[in-house]
Amino acid sequence: AQSVTQPDIHITVSEGASLELRCNYSYGATPYLFWYVQSPGQGLQLLLKYFSGDTLVQGIKGFEAEFKRSQSSFNLRKPSVHWSDAAEYFCAVGTSSNTGKLIFGQGTTLQVKP
Amino acid sequence: DAGVIQSPRHEVTEMGQEVTLRCKPISGHDYLFWYRQTMMRGLELLIYFNNNVPIDDSGMPEDRFSAKMPNASFSTLKIQPSEPRDSAVYFCASRRTGPYGYTFGSGTRLTVV
Repeated sequence: AQSVTQPDIHITVSEGASLELRCNYSYGATPYLFWYVQSPGQGLQLLLKYFSGDTLVQGIKGFEAEFKRSQSSFNLRKPSVHWSDAAEYFCAVGTSSNTGKLIFGQGTTLQVKP
Repeated sequence: DAGVIQSPRHEVTEMGQEVTLRCKPISGHDYLFWYRQTMMRGLELLIYFNNNVPIDDSGMPEDRFSAKMPNASFSTLKIQPSEPRDSAVYFCASRRTGPYGYTFGSGTRLTVV
């Protein structure tokens, strides 16, 4: 069965600093990978996704993520964090583009210091 | 596009009462998912449908929970009877077949007292 691990429960960065949120997955075949962001009291918004092709994917709000098969990782990055990026971030893995299940990690809460 | 629409946004009910949560997926999306989010367990997939047919309900916690999708534009998640431990935020999401992401609704915050 597939699973997702986000090792960091809480991260604090200064505004303007770079950010990297870690995500490791477990799945025997080619995974389909997603990053979502959730602001307090809101639903989940898709930041970016990887299905195939270029392993570096660009998303909304200046985020990017890199799929590294050898490390079973899909880390999220942003070169310069803004105060509005403070939220909870979820990595998720799906098993196929044509079937359903999307399994989420436990989430990483990002705090941004002024 | 109005996105995935869930109702109600908030629900407070007494233990033992029946609760019905509603979801309208995005038109043209053929998959619909119900998730539950709690601090302790994070985001859990409860059940999902494809073309209105339940495909996997292994995440439904117990028989008190049931879900239906009578047509492509409407789904319900029912809890009967409700218990305090059912208190959580319930999300509905939809997607269409292919390399596309899942679109989530704003959720229903359920409190059972």
